[in-house]
This record gives sequence, C-alpha cells and structure tokens, in this order.
Amino acid sequence: EAGVAQSPRYKIIEKRQSVAFWCNPISGHATLYWYQQILGQGPKLLIQFQNNGVVDDSQLPKDRFSAERLKGVDSTLKIQPAKLEDSAVYLCASSSNAGTRAFFGQGTRLTVV
Amino acid sequence: KQEVTQIPAALSVPEGENLVLNCSFTDSAIYNLQWFRQDPGKGLTSLLLIQSSQREQTSGRLNASLDKSSGRSTLYIAASQPGDSATYLCAVPYSGGGADGLTFGKGTHLIIQP
Repeated sequence: EAGVAQSPRYKIIEKRQSVAFWCNPISGHATLYWYQQILGQGPKLLIQFQNNGVVDDSQLPKDRFSAERLKGVDSTLKIQPAKLEDSAVYLCASSSNAGTRAFFGQGTRLTVV
Repeated sequence: KQEVTQIPAALSVPEGENLVLNCSFTDSAIYNLQWFRQDPGKGLTSLLLIQSSQREQTSGRLNASLDKSSGRSTLYIAASQPGDSATYLCAVPYSGGGADGLTFGKGTHLIIQP
C-alpha cells in the first residue's frame, strides 16, 4: 500500500515570497491533516479536512496560510507572503476516517531566508 | 486547551538498558493516546495506540501504559538497541465536533550508545 506522498521535500524561499506544498493521501482516506513542526517542537495541527470539507482550521493563520482539498483527494497548502518564522517542516497525514489511526508523510522542509 | 508535556527532553543510555519515557496531559477527557517515533528528516511512525478503555499496549520490546485519571502515560523500552535512537512523541486527539487532530508533546530525543 502506497503511503502519504508529499512534494517538494525541501524548499528555500525569501521572505515575502509565496510557496505551495502538495499532499496525496493514502487511497480511500477521507480525512486529511496538515501539521507544522518547528525545530525542537512537536507538530501543531493547522487544518483538518473530511473529504473536501474543513473540519477544523482554528490554528491556521488565515491572513497568510490557505489550504484546499478539491475533489476530496489531493490537497495543497499555500503560504503568501512567507515570514521567517514560517521556517518549519510541514507534515501531511491521512486516515480512513476521523477517529482512526493517521499515517504521516515524510514532510516538506521549508526554509525562509 | 490540551497541553502535553514529555519528560525527559533528552536521554542518552548505553545499549541494553531498559528505559522509561514519560508523558502527561492536562485534559483527561481523551479517547486514546498514541506514541510516535520520528527519525531525522522523516515523518512520524505510529508505534502504539492505547484506547481510553485500555491500560496498556505492547508491541515487541515496547510497552505503553495509560492512566487517564492522573493524566499520564509511559513508554517502556526493554533491552534498548542503537536502532532505537530517535525522537519519541506522545500525542492525544482533540475531542468533540468531529475534529480529531492530534496535540503533541515536544518529544524525548533518545540516543542509545553502542
């Protein structure tokens, strides 16, 4: 069974630029999550989708971050404009449904300079 | 707001020792707790998931316990090996409203010396 796929693996951008991350969840998984992990910290949930609807985005900085999951499969997370403090690993995870075990991708490491 | 604390932040022990990692959480209204492993530059791998009705789960040399009333969990690693070196994270889900994203601790960075 293929795992959660994320791209790119690494990205370096200058502050005030925009960036987008892509996630392809495990086939058939209805629930998709994006987490932000700053160096030395545990992952922090940014947004949770159930199919193509948002279940929770209370910790998403909506002035600069946006996410979508069109057609309830792939998802993209965008930052515009990026700040230095956005440097982190962005992890995508999926589960067959809310309340079941989630599987994580390898993440995208973002460096903002 | 749920907060998860892990102690110690880092641990270095010789190969072969048994060790215990600790996790505490502030809101005991959880329906499960997970322990994850994270290797450098990689995503998270779920090691053990304990339902709130259970007191412990075992997988190989790993044993996790859960005491909801006191807001604590421990991960016991028996006969540690250099391959166990990684960061271990404890996490509990949100509750209610259909959202079940996880709240994580900062992790315990474990080094097993050959």
